[in-house]
Amino acid sequence: ELKVEQNPLFLSMQEEKNYTIYCNYSTTSDRLYWYRQDPGKSLESLFVLLSNGAVKQEGRLMASLDTKARLSTLHITAAVHDLSATYFCAVERGAQKLVFGQGTRLTINP
Amino acid sequence: DAGVIQSPRHEVTEMGQEVTLRCKPISGHDYLFWYRQTMMRGLELLIYFNNNVPIDDSGMPEDRFSAKMPNASFSTLKIQPSEPRDSAVYFCASSLGGRGLSQETQYFGPGTRLLVL
Repeated sequence: ELKVEQNPLFLSMQEEKNYTIYCNYSTTSDRLYWYRQDPGKSLESLFVLLSNGAVKQEGRLMASLDTKARLSTLHITAAVHDLSATYFCAVERGAQKLVFGQGTRLTINP
Repeated sequence: DAGVIQSPRHEVTEMGQEVTLRCKPISGHDYLFWYRQTMMRGLELLIYFNNNVPIDDSGMPEDRFSAKMPNASFSTLKIQPSEPRDSAVYFCASSLGGRGLSQETQYFGPGTRLLVL
């Protein structure tokens, strides 16, 4: 059974600081997704990582995938308040079936 | 494009009542997914369709839950009879399908917040 674990589950940080969210998964997969969810809202796609070594960047967020280590990271650079949200990673378990991590609730304080 | 549309956005019902949630996927998308989100269990895939055909319903919790997709632009998730433990946010998502960056991304609707009293 595929398990997806995120670390940490809660993260409170100050603006302008850097931090990393980790996503570990238990069985082989070469497709990993990152989503953002604001409180009471839907999920917004951030990144799709399709191969080992893939790196994607959008603004202050950068995601990478190491399929050998079964690990993805979401790095936040010089955080700003607007990035406060819950971030989910999801791993593909067969075509189109996603298993989500627990989510990391990120709070960025001024 | 309007994105994935779900209705109703909020639903409050009493235990034992039938609940029907509705979803209109993005036009041209071949895959449609139903998810449930709760604090205890997180985001769970309930069922998904490809070209209106149910492919995998292994996540459907029990026989009280059923889903249909009569055509490419409409799907329903029905709970009958509803129970308090069904209270959750139910999301519908759709994707193009196939392989490749744009095809595989699942786009989520706004969700239906269901409260069963």
